[in-house]
Amino acid sequence: GAGVSQSPRYKVAKRGQDVALRCDPISGHVSLFWYQQALGQGPEFLTYFQNEAQLDKSGLPSDRFFAERPEGSVSTLKIQRTQQEDSAVYLCASSSWLGYTFGSGTRLTVV
Amino acid sequence: AQSVTQLDSQVPVFEEAPVELRCNYSSSVSVYLFWYVQYPNQGLQLLLKYLSGSTLVESINGFEAEFNKSQTSFHLRKPSVHISDTAEYFCAVIDTDKLIFGTGTRLQVFP
Repeated sequence: GAGVSQSPRYKVAKRGQDVALRCDPISGHVSLFWYQQALGQGPEFLTYFQNEAQLDKSGLPSDRFFAERPEGSVSTLKIQRTQQEDSAVYLCASSSWLGYTFGSGTRLTVV
Repeated sequence: AQSVTQLDSQVPVFEEAPVELRCNYSSSVSVYLFWYVQYPNQGLQLLLKYLSGSTLVESINGFEAEFNKSQTSFHLRKPSVHISDTAEYFCAVIDTDKLIFGTGTRLQVFP
């Protein structure tokens, strides 16, 4: 596609529920990144893939967070047993030599 | 690890006035710097970037930033702002393939 597509656009989850957030990168982009942006804050790095390999997951805040990109294209960020502090916008970006392109994000609200 | 600091969380300014948004980076041998803009409920859009070469970089909508190695700064400037420039602005640096963002500066332009 022309840009990075994320779905759903909004997600409301009850505390303790599992959620899955999807990212469709730009076709052909090798690198894919996930960021968490809390209200009023800058985006914080979560994890990074090069093709299907997860090269860096140092930013994942706990073992409840899991990301995958099994075929080197679409990626899913999964959060298990959601908690209120997980409420944030989750941004996905893909990159090529031209630069980084961000999706519009998924706004997760945990109630 | 690379990092950036945005000292001003909010910058109020009147329309047609000049503005400067400050960004300082942690010193390193080589550094790649970016400014992104985020309008309400939207994703991040690249405003401009410094990779190498000329230390003054410009965007298509009148913003410019100057890479200053001696002061480890990459301040964003515009000589005359418009109402439509109201947004959140993020400075970012690359650290081992991933973008590291500052905490952001909210530019509020008043009529």
